Order: sequence, then C-alpha cells, then structure tokens
Amino acid sequence: GENVEQHPSTLSVQEGDSAVIKCTYSDSASNYFPWYKQELGKRPQLIIDIRSNVGEKKDQRIAVTLNKTAKHFSLHITETQPEDSAVYFCAAKGTGRRALTFGSGTRLQVQP
Amino acid sequence: DVKVTQSSRYLVKRTGEKVFLECVQDMDHENMFWYRQDPGLGLRLIYFSYDVKMKEKGDIPEGYSVSREKKERFSLILESASTNQTSMYLCASSFLGGNTEAFFGQGTRLTVV
Repeated sequence: GENVEQHPSTLSVQEGDSAVIKCTYSDSASNYFPWYKQELGKRPQLIIDIRSNVGEKKDQRIAVTLNKTAKHFSLHITETQPEDSAVYFCAAKGTGRRALTFGSGTRLQVQP
Repeated sequence: DVKVTQSSRYLVKRTGEKVFLECVQDMDHENMFWYRQDPGLGLRLIYFSYDVKMKEKGDIPEGYSVSREKKERFSLILESASTNQTSMYLCASSFLGGNTEAFFGQGTRLTVV
C-alpha cells in the first residue's frame, strides 16, 4: 500500500518568514496530493491540493510543488502569520485507492 | 455548508465495554471513513465505506468494526474497548468519483480506563 513520510515533525519560524514542509510517497500510481490544516481543537480542513498533471499550484501565500519523478511534494507558506500556527498534514491517493494516506503531521509555530 | 457531525466530542469508557461512535454527513457523499489520530502517527485509516452496507478494512482494523445501514450514517464499533484504543477518532466523507476533498467531523476524544 501507500506510505507517506512527512518532515519536519515540528517547525518554528518568525512571523514574516517562510515555512516549508516536505512529504514523500511510495506509490507511483498516486495522483492526488492534498494538504490539510488542523488548528488546535478543530477538525482538519483542506487548504490546497495538487494533481499529478501539474507541477505547482499557488493560492495567495501558500503553494504546493510536486516532483513525480522523485515522488515528493512540498507545502510552502510565505509571509507567515501567527494564525498559520497549526498542525499540517500531507496526504496522497491514487486511482486504485478510495482513501487518503496521511503523513505524520508537522506542528508549525509562528512566533510573533 | 458541508457538515460531518460526530455524536460525541468526549467519551470515557471502561475496559471491555462495547463502544459505538456515530457519524452523520449531510452532503450525500458515497464515501465515509474512520481515522484514528495519535501524536506523531498522523491519521491512520481504520475502515471505510463506499456504499450502504459496503465496507473495507483500512490499515489498522484490528479491534474495530463498522456499520453503514444508511448512506448518511457511518458507525465505528469497538467490540471490547482496551486502553490502547484511547485516541482521537475522526470521521470523514467525500464523493465517490475522482479525487475530491474529504470533509472531517470535529472528532471524538475517547478515553478507555
């Protein structure tokens, strides 16, 4: 089955700096890669996703890049703000699977 | 506004009890999922269902079963609760076709004593 590894497990940045979270996946058939943000005490919510037919996608201060050859994808947050503090999960899914496989999560702390 | 609602936010149960966690969604989603969330382990899939009365095992099904009698409702059952099942349980739902967003419930924090 699919295996998704996520790094780092914790990340602390100063407000205004950039943050990068990286994930690798094992199944070359995976073609959908969403990122979820979970604020303290709340449910995970989708913030951005990318499909395997594109290499990069941006939405305001967040972007995701995908390298299919190396089987890794990354989340980039620019101009971080205190409200970006949360746990971020990457995930992967292929057409042969009905469910997402999640990474272990990254706790991002943005210091004001 | 999509809603996935879990019946309890917090539960405390005794070892050996049979425990039911309920999840209801209002988006007419075909897929429903139960995940378990533990620190450092992310979200691990327990079971999922893609249709009424249909179910498939996920990555950690041992000690759990599920029931889906109606499209909008998906139940997770702990046949005989054990302390190692103390965890946060998250229900999610999504449409069947293609790669689409999964919507999560607010989670149930289960403590088995």
